[in-house]
Amino acid sequence: KNQVEQSPQSLIILEGKNCTLQCNYTVSPFSNLRWYKQDTGRGPVSLTIMTFSENTKSNGRYTATLDADTKQSSLHITASQLSDSASYICVVRVAGATNKLIFGTGTLLAVQP
Amino acid sequence: GAVVSQHPSRVICKSGTSVKIECRSLDFQATTMFWYRQFPKQSLMLMATSNEGSKATYEQGVEKDKFLINHASLTLSTLTVTSAHPEDSSFYICSARVDRGYYEQYFGPGTRLTVT
Repeated sequence: KNQVEQSPQSLIILEGKNCTLQCNYTVSPFSNLRWYKQDTGRGPVSLTIMTFSENTKSNGRYTATLDADTKQSSLHITASQLSDSASYICVVRVAGATNKLIFGTGTLLAVQP
Repeated sequence: GAVVSQHPSRVICKSGTSVKIECRSLDFQATTMFWYRQFPKQSLMLMATSNEGSKATYEQGVEKDKFLINHASLTLSTLTVTSAHPEDSSFYICSARVDRGYYEQYFGPGTRLTVT
């Protein structure tokens, strides 16, 4: 069964600190993996997209890693800001005719002053 | 970048009435559009997939007669919630996909539906 699991479920950090969010997936066949940021009451916005051959990709203060062998990904946020408070969703695309997206349950991040 | 809009952003309706939500890809053509539903503190749940000019494909458990989807053009899809009930209250998000390369999906800002 295609599944994407994220941890932790929620996280509280102080402004300026770093944090790392985890994503484990059992999706086959694998096409690519995305991290999205979803602000409360808004739609998801893409942060990074990684294919099978990519290990690391950065987007400003966001750095995503992918280990295709262990089927794990992480999203590292450096020097957190209050505006980083949001839900972060790991999404894996199934390769093939369906190109279906499998969504993780998300990590709710709260950055406090 | 690609932008997907939804209208309205919020709607309150009475039980038994119908509500239409529009989803538009503003600066690109989307062969495929998706409708998702999201309950509080849960992830997005796919309701249906629609292709321009053809009937939508609904996920298991989603009533096609209750959630009518029309994908009239490459830039517009509509979701109509018919005979709405309070349990239909939710956050509805559409997504438009570019069917080439990474098959990137762009999400709309969502529509908060409240049925009283």
